Amino acid sequence: GQQVQQSPASLVLQEGENAELQCNFSTSLNSMQWFYQRPGGSLVSLFYNPSGTKHSGRLTSTTVIKERRSSLHISSSQTTDSGTYLCALERRSNYNVLYFGSGTKLTVEP
Amino acid sequence: ETAVFQTPNYHVTQVGNEVSFNCKQTLGHDTMYWYKQDSKKLLKIMFSYNNKQLIVNETVPRRFSPQSSDKAHLNLRIKSVEPEDSAVYLCASSRGLNERLFFGHGTKLSVL
Repeated sequence: GQQVQQSPASLVLQEGENAELQCNFSTSLNSMQWFYQRPGGSLVSLFYNPSGTKHSGRLTSTTVIKERRSSLHISSSQTTDSGTYLCALERRSNYNVLYFGSGTKLTVEP
Repeated sequence: ETAVFQTPNYHVTQVGNEVSFNCKQTLGHDTMYWYKQDSKKLLKIMFSYNNKQLIVNETVPRRFSPQSSDKAHLNLRIKSVEPEDSAVYLCASSRGLNERLFFGHGTKLSVL
């Protein structure tokens, strides 16, 4: 079964609103990474976050290992934030392989 | 800024043909990967190389073969393509094991 569950599958925001994207996993974690994929574009690494909270501009990633979840918070969303956000899990039992969630498609409207 | 370069961007071919995709990274990383993204946008690992050594091969059909001449290059050859091979193939690299990944723009393969 799917080891990484992302929610919501899609999200529509008005510019300026905040977004909270969730990633839940069912196996022991070595690391968690968040990526952004533009429509038809490559993946951009946002965070490498095995545990705790990390910040990058308007983005915040929080991984709570005991609760088997990771979240990505986007504050004051902009239209340029539109795209697909993917979380990826590296299992403790299988280094060097990322298991991706199915993504959250974010649309930010002006 | 892209430092993982893939060619070609797109490739259209017919069933049974052989195709080859190239990937080069200029980051000085030791580890390179091939991932496949299907029509539902789900990404799955295919291969992983560390210092030119194959370390991961995730139940990929034998018609797929990775080729690494040095740690900066990891090419992918498909001997006889099939319709289900239509997908976007993404190359990535990382400094080492358990490090963040940097992806190329992908090669979109369409098999007619």
